[in-house]
Amino acid sequence: NAGVTQTPKFQVLKTGQSMTLQCAQDMNHNSMYWYRQDPGMGLRLIYYSASEGTTDKGEVPNGYNVSRLNKREFSLRLESAAPSQTSVYFCASSDGGSRTEAFFGQGTRLTVV
Amino acid sequence: GDSVTQMEGPVTLSEEAFLTINCTYTATGYPSLFWYVQYPGEGLQLLLKATKADDKGSNKGFEATYRKETTSFHLEKGSVQVSDSAVYFCASDTGRRALTFGSGTRLQVQP
Repeated sequence: NAGVTQTPKFQVLKTGQSMTLQCAQDMNHNSMYWYRQDPGMGLRLIYYSASEGTTDKGEVPNGYNVSRLNKREFSLRLESAAPSQTSVYFCASSDGGSRTEAFFGQGTRLTVV
Repeated sequence: GDSVTQMEGPVTLSEEAFLTINCTYTATGYPSLFWYVQYPGEGLQLLLKATKADDKGSNKGFEATYRKETTSFHLEKGSVQVSDSAVYFCASDTGRRALTFGSGTRLQVQP
């Protein structure tokens, strides 16, 4: 039972490079999310997708784009990486609504030098 | 906007000690409340939840009660173990967007 799968697990980028973080879930969930985790700041929402075909900005969307490719997949793209984007990125999914549990991937540790 | 405030860590306890991690929230409406746990090198996983006032969530010996009058959802465990060492996150969800997380509290339990 895979749950939420993120790739890659680790990545080092040079400033200005681009990359896409991949996320896929096999639970048939409607909603998917991208968070970043920084020391002392908890998890902050970057973008979310309430359903296939829709995406919305979260708390910290600047410098990122997303694509909800289909119901299973939700990718996060950094067009021109900056050192401030060094972080651990988590993808999550849920059925949606306030009472349901969110399931998280294992995270991508990104370093921008 | 919605926010969650939890006590800063790290919290260091000896095995079998009593644990409390404080959490308070502000939200428009009536959120559901959650505690998530993150073990080293892993993603977050749900520990417990409560969806309405006075509900008590419990799991693995941990408990938290949804207190609407004090807007709190404090996490407690009567006797911690070394294996409980992790980072604990309090979170709220009003259903309008996504989970709102606190900053996390690192718990270290010493043998």
